[in-house]
Amino acid sequence: EPEVTQTPSHQVTQMGQEVILRCVPISNHLYFYWYRQILGQKVEFLVSFYNNEISEKSEIFDDQFSVERPDGSNFTLKIRSTKLEDSAMYFCASGGGAGVGETQYFGPGTRLLVL
Amino acid sequence: AQSVSQHNHHVILSEAASLELGCNYSYGGTVNLFWYVQYPGQHLQLLLKYFSGDPLVKGIKGFEAEFIKSKFSFNLRKPSVQWSDTAEYFCAVNAASGTYKYIFGTGTRLKVLA
Repeated sequence: EPEVTQTPSHQVTQMGQEVILRCVPISNHLYFYWYRQILGQKVEFLVSFYNNEISEKSEIFDDQFSVERPDGSNFTLKIRSTKLEDSAMYFCASGGGAGVGETQYFGPGTRLLVL
Repeated sequence: AQSVSQHNHHVILSEAASLELGCNYSYGGTVNLFWYVQYPGQHLQLLLKYFSGDPLVKGIKGFEAEFIKSKFSFNLRKPSVQWSDTAEYFCAVNAASGTYKYIFGTGTRLKVLA
């Protein structure tokens, strides 16, 4: 069964550094998402991406964040200058765009720790 | 504001006990409803989903959920839990159009004692 994959599984970085989190969505999916989960809190929507552009972003997704689909298979989340509060589990998800329900399939997550 | 509430944050049950996890939502318009499970060290997996039709939906591993529109609820049930059901359970909602972003509940951590 096709799966969403994410790399790295863990990332430790210093405050102010840039990080890039990578995701390979399911190949025939059209909708792509990033979510994050701060320890002990709920999973929060960050951004959705469709047709090579951001279709919606949350208030969390400020100018420090960007997303890209550089080569038709990878989907990346970049945090330009990390802050302590960016420490979280980041989940990538993709959906088929069937128009009904739009079930999303999640990757295993990248645990980001900002020191 | 759009929100999903899961009232049980931690649940401990013995094997063979029945399970019901509550989920209530506040969301304007037509919604789709989902339950996901996250086993320790694994990613979120879809248990079941409701789009329309029969409000009682059956999912994998013997789970089912009932959509009660008048109560804005989508509670998850299993008649007899197993030790392997130990996991975290998330209720999620999205709109039936637009970007389909999910709004998640806070999750319920279930521990089943052997």
